[in-house]
Amino acid sequence: QVTLKESGPVLVKPTETLTLTCTVSGSSLSNAKMSVSWIRQPPGKALEWLAYISANDEKSYTTSLSNRLTISKDTSKSQVVLTMSNMDPVDTATYYCARTYCSSPSCYDNYMDVWGKGTTVTVSS
Amino acid sequence: SYELTQPPSLSVSPGQTARITCSGDEMPKKYASWYQRKSGQAPLLVIYEDSRRPSGIPERFSGSSSGTMATLTISGAQVDDEADYYCYSTDTKGEHRGIFGGGTKLTVL
Repeated sequence: QVTLKESGPVLVKPTETLTLTCTVSGSSLSNAKMSVSWIRQPPGKALEWLAYISANDEKSYTTSLSNRLTISKDTSKSQVVLTMSNMDPVDTATYYCARTYCSSPSCYDNYMDVWGKGTTVTVSS
Repeated sequence: SYELTQPPSLSVSPGQTARITCSGDEMPKKYASWYQRKSGQAPLLVIYEDSRRPSGIPERFSGSSSGTMATLTISGAQVDDEADYYCYSTDTKGEHRGIFGGGTKLTVL
């Protein structure tokens, strides 16, 4: 059974860089079926897809935040890391990581079938 | 930029059928999936690849897609189905970029 768990700071200051870690259990990140996405939900707002990393290290970012986001992984630690630079109060949200399952060999069609419980990040001075 | 459009809210009585739509120009080329989000809980996948239901999801949840619209149908909605529902798909520009709809608040009362 695959499980994911997010961790990171509860509070960050404006302009700081946020580093979030997703720890995966029950599967290796080198497994072809083990792609991971990050998603966030600000209070009272909709889910927002942020970034993706595949088993073979392909990466993708949401266009609006692509200059602030970096996704990476450490397969030996079973961890996926998301960094977001220049944090602002509007980035206050619950951040989720999720296993992303591919519907096609290219994974250009995919869906998130296993989610972590999320971690809440507040941006405030 | 590509967008998925959902109605903000829908209200049904218990036992009625709820249909939540998700429209997007690229829908004919892409699969849609649907997620249930209850307060204080992580999103839950209820439909994937337009119409497939994960194990453990009640049969009253079904999905379909036609043209530029995907639809989540809850047949015989229950009070426990009250939640926010989000559709999801991917950008067609040859990358793994995902996108969510704006969400639909389903009220069952």
